[in-house]
Amino acid sequence: SQELEQSPQSLIVQEGKNLTINCTSSKTLYGLYWYKQKYGEGLIFLMMLQKGGEEKSHEKITAKLDEKKQQSSLHITASQPSHAGIYLCGADDRGSTLGRLYFGRGTQLTVWP
Amino acid sequence: GAGVSQSPSNKVTEKGKDVELRCDPISGHTALYWYRQSLGQGLEFLIYFQGNSAPDKSGLPSDRFSAERTGGSVSTLTIQRTQQEDSAVYLCASSSVTSVAKNIQYFGAGTRLSVL
Repeated sequence: SQELEQSPQSLIVQEGKNLTINCTSSKTLYGLYWYKQKYGEGLIFLMMLQKGGEEKSHEKITAKLDEKKQQSSLHITASQPSHAGIYLCGADDRGSTLGRLYFGRGTQLTVWP
Repeated sequence: GAGVSQSPSNKVTEKGKDVELRCDPISGHTALYWYRQSLGQGLEFLIYFQGNSAPDKSGLPSDRFSAERTGGSVSTLTIQRTQQEDSAVYLCASSSVTSVAKNIQYFGAGTRLSVL
């Protein structure tokens, strides 16, 4: 099985500030998925990373998978209230193309104006 | 449909009653997943379907929980004799089996179950 640890558990930042959320695994990550969840809603897919050193960006959100493929970070530049929510990382089981994802417990982000 | 659709969005039931939760996946997605999210807990995997068969049902917490999928599309999660600890948000996801999409799972908005 795969266990993911996210840090911090919660984050409160002022609008315009940059922030980073980390996701760490004790095992090699073959497929790492970032999702965002708002209260009362399902998970919205943000990005998927597979290769060590890979980096992807979407608008002001950038995600990286480190070379050893055991940690991923999600960086938000110039945060806005619309970025508020819970960010979850999920991982494949040994790189299978199907099957369950294992999730971290999430990071709750609050952005105040 | 355009996205994963779940119904009902909210369900309040009395302890001991049976409930059925429905999931309609994205059209053409052959894989379908059920997860549960309890207050203060992470996402807990319940069961996964590939077509109409369930290769992995290891997450079902007890024999009161069952799920089926017919026609390779809609799935129903049934909880019999509900207990208060079953209160949670039940999330359904679907994915497409292509090498490009890998295992990207698209989630519905969930069914919030409250057992009184």
